[in-house]
Amino acid sequence: NAGVTQTPKFQVLKTGQSMTLQCAQDMNHEYMSWYRQDPGMGLRLIHYSVGAGITDQGEVPNGYNVSRSTTEDFPLRLLSAAPSQTSVYFCASSGFNQGNGKNIQYFGAGTRLSVL
Amino acid sequence: DAKTTQPNSMESNEEEPVHLPCNHSTISGTDYIHWYRQLPSQGPEYVIHGLTSNVNNRMASLAIAEDRKSSTLILHRATLRDAAVYYCILIDAGNKLTFGGGTRVLVKP
Repeated sequence: NAGVTQTPKFQVLKTGQSMTLQCAQDMNHEYMSWYRQDPGMGLRLIHYSVGAGITDQGEVPNGYNVSRSTTEDFPLRLLSAAPSQTSVYFCASSGFNQGNGKNIQYFGAGTRLSVL
Repeated sequence: DAKTTQPNSMESNEEEPVHLPCNHSTISGTDYIHWYRQLPSQGPEYVIHGLTSNVNNRMASLAIAEDRKSSTLILHRATLRDAAVYYCILIDAGNKLTFGGGTRVLVKP
């Protein structure tokens, strides 16, 4: 039972480089999301998706792109990495019943990203 | 999104109960109260949720005030493995979680 799988676990980038953080879930969940967590802080929502082909911005979307071509995958792209994007990134998924706030979210183990 | 207020930290002795308070005075009638916890170097994990009635599961109990403006997560017998940051979150329509600072629980042996 894999749940939510994130790769890579660790990554070091130089300023200006681009990369894609991968997220896959095997629970057939419609809702997927990306968060970042800076040291000593709570998680902040970057982007989310309510189904294949549908994405929307969260609280801190600048500098990140997402796409949702399949139900299973929700990659997060950093277009031109900056030191301010040094953080731990978490992907989450859940079932989605519109108008209902009771769905449980499942989180991946996280990707630790350092931008030099 | 309605906001929640939690103490920054709490300490407990092992095998003793822990009561974690959460204030949410601006809660709306359709907001669910969710609790997640984050163990060191891990992603958050679901603990429990409720709407109006008290809830119990294998991990914890959730006591919700009659006016729903506050709730309490109860860990009945804290173990060292319960040391984590506990987040109280309100969710209305949709699935977006808005994390505050949470309560850091320290369990002393």
